[in-house]
Order: sequence, then C-alpha cells, then structure tokens
Amino acid sequence: NAGVTQTPKFQVLKTGQSMTLQCAQDMNHNSMYWYRQDPGMGLRLIYYSASEGTTDKGEVPNGYNVSRLNKREFSLRLESAAPSQTSVYFCASSESGTAYGYTFGSGTRLTVV
Amino acid sequence: AQSVSQHNHHVILSEAASLELGCNYSYGGTVNLFWYVQYPGQHLQLLLKYFSGDPLVKGIKGFEAEFIKSKFSFNLRKPSVQWSDTAEYFCAVSESGYSTLTFGKGTMLLVSP
Repeated sequence: NAGVTQTPKFQVLKTGQSMTLQCAQDMNHNSMYWYRQDPGMGLRLIYYSASEGTTDKGEVPNGYNVSRLNKREFSLRLESAAPSQTSVYFCASSESGTAYGYTFGSGTRLTVV
Repeated sequence: AQSVSQHNHHVILSEAASLELGCNYSYGGTVNLFWYVQYPGQHLQLLLKYFSGDPLVKGIKGFEAEFIKSKFSFNLRKPSVQWSDTAEYFCAVSESGYSTLTFGKGTMLLVSP
C-alpha cells in the first residue's frame, strides 16, 4: 500500500544514547517532514526537506539532525537523547510547494529514561 | 510567524448533539486551512481542507467547516455526532505556496453513547 512508513514504532532510550528514526515514502513526493506530538501541544515541526538535497529547521530543531538520503527517505537522528525528547514522532510527505496531499506515517513512540 | 488557536481543549457531548470546534489563526496573507482527526492510537487523517473558492467546505464523515476571512476563523461543525467521532481534532494552517503546517494544540472530543 502506498504511504509513509516509519520505523521503529516504539523505542526506549537511556539519557545520552543516540538513535535514528527512519522514514520512507513511496508516493514520489518531493517534500518530507518530521513533527513531534506532545500532550496539549499539538504537532510541532522539527525539520523538513522541501526537496531532495535540501533540509531546513522547523519550530523545534534543537537536539535533532536530519538526512534526506534520497527522494524516498528522510531520517531523524537524536545524537544524545534527553528526557525532554520523549514524544511521539510523525513523518509526513507532500507535493513540493503545497500542503495539499499531506500523508502522515503511523508514528514512533519514543521514551527517554 | 503563524499561530493557530483552538478554543476548547476538551469537549464532551452526547450522541446526536451538534458539534462546533473553534479555530482561529494569525497570519495576514493567503492561507490554506485544514482539519485533521486522530483516533486513539492512530496517526492523523485529513478531515477537510480549504484552498480557495466556496468558504463552506465539506469533508468526510459528515464534517464541514466554514472559512471566515474577516474573522481569521475556520470552525469545524457536525450536525449530529456519533460515539465513533471520539478523537482528537487538530486545526492546521499553511501559507499559500508553502508546504509546512502550523498546528493548533488540539481539541479532545469525547462522545458518550
């Protein structure tokens, strides 16, 4: 089925550990995004990639890095996890230059202890 | 920077009651407007969107929203809610020509049977 695939679905990290969240889309979308969702805060944009080869900071980029590996894949890396990064992370993709046709992945629930 | 305000954090209704969820945004330019729904444990799904044209937009599952430009509002309505509408609802905005979304903090709707 066409869509956005995220791995892993669940992860528990210890403070200071690193990990990479993977995201892949098969809809030939140019733009990809990483959001985090926290209770009472809605979704906040961490980083986005308007097209292959470009990445830009969103509202809450501190503590994260991203890589747009190719048109399909956009990964999010936590270099040194902190409890404040406990959240649900959603990857999404869309056509470039428009929020039309946004498709979200099923999310990664990350707990940092 | 844009911001999105959702008036109610929690709403409790009985089945068959009418629903209206408020959403206001702050941005003076042309915007695209969205309502997303998130059922428990699931990712976000698009309910409806407004890009241009008729300011009364109809979406899936009997939902509709009205864009009132003078009030910077995009309120979501449903004439008669069902127990299955229990979910969290998010209003979101993007600047026309851009693909990043700014979300409100969400409204949790609980419909009692």
